[in-house]
Amino acid sequence: KQEVTQIPAALSVPEGENLVLNCSFTDSAIYNLQWFRQDPGKGLTSLLLIQSSQREQTSGRLNASLDKSSGRSTLYIAASQPGDSATYLCAVPTGNQFYFGTGTSLTVIP
Amino acid sequence: DGGITQSPKYLFRKEGQNVTLSCEQNLNHDAMYWYRQDPGQGLRLIYYSQIVNDFQKGDIAEGYSVSREKKESFPLTVTSAQKNPTAFYLCASSMGGPAFNSPLHFGNGTRLTVT
Repeated sequence: KQEVTQIPAALSVPEGENLVLNCSFTDSAIYNLQWFRQDPGKGLTSLLLIQSSQREQTSGRLNASLDKSSGRSTLYIAASQPGDSATYLCAVPTGNQFYFGTGTSLTVIP
Repeated sequence: DGGITQSPKYLFRKEGQNVTLSCEQNLNHDAMYWYRQDPGQGLRLIYYSQIVNDFQKGDIAEGYSVSREKKESFPLTVTSAQKNPTAFYLCASSMGGPAFNSPLHFGNGTRLTVT
């Protein structure tokens, strides 16, 4: 069964800092990897989807990379802002299910 | 605007009562999912449906039931058999199943409290 891990569970950084969030998975037979953002009490908002054949995907200040063979993905956030404070989750579809990490709770301090 | 609507946002029920959570999507997606989210845990799959009139149990289906009579609707009933129903429930949809390689979209969730 696919297992998805996100470390660290929480991260606090000063505004303006660049940061990297990590996602690792045990089964490399994935179709893609999707990064989400979740604000307190809300649903998940899709940030980026990176196909299994891609190495990276960019959207604005966000850049996601994927190394399928090593079972790792990173989400790079440039020039962090207080509005980036949220929980970030990754998800991988494997077989007939989506598997989620438990997320990294990010706090950007003004 | 296309999206997924979950209602209500908050739901309070007494123990022993069944309750139904609504999920409607206007994205024309074939696949729909129900997840449960508890503090400190990842999302856990309750039920999913890849086509109208068909659905499959997920990892934690006991005490829950669903129906998929229309493409746009996938209501979840939390029955009195569910031992610990208080949680945040999320509905999601995608164009096809996981192998279809399309993004997963989520509603804004329903927080259910049972006392």
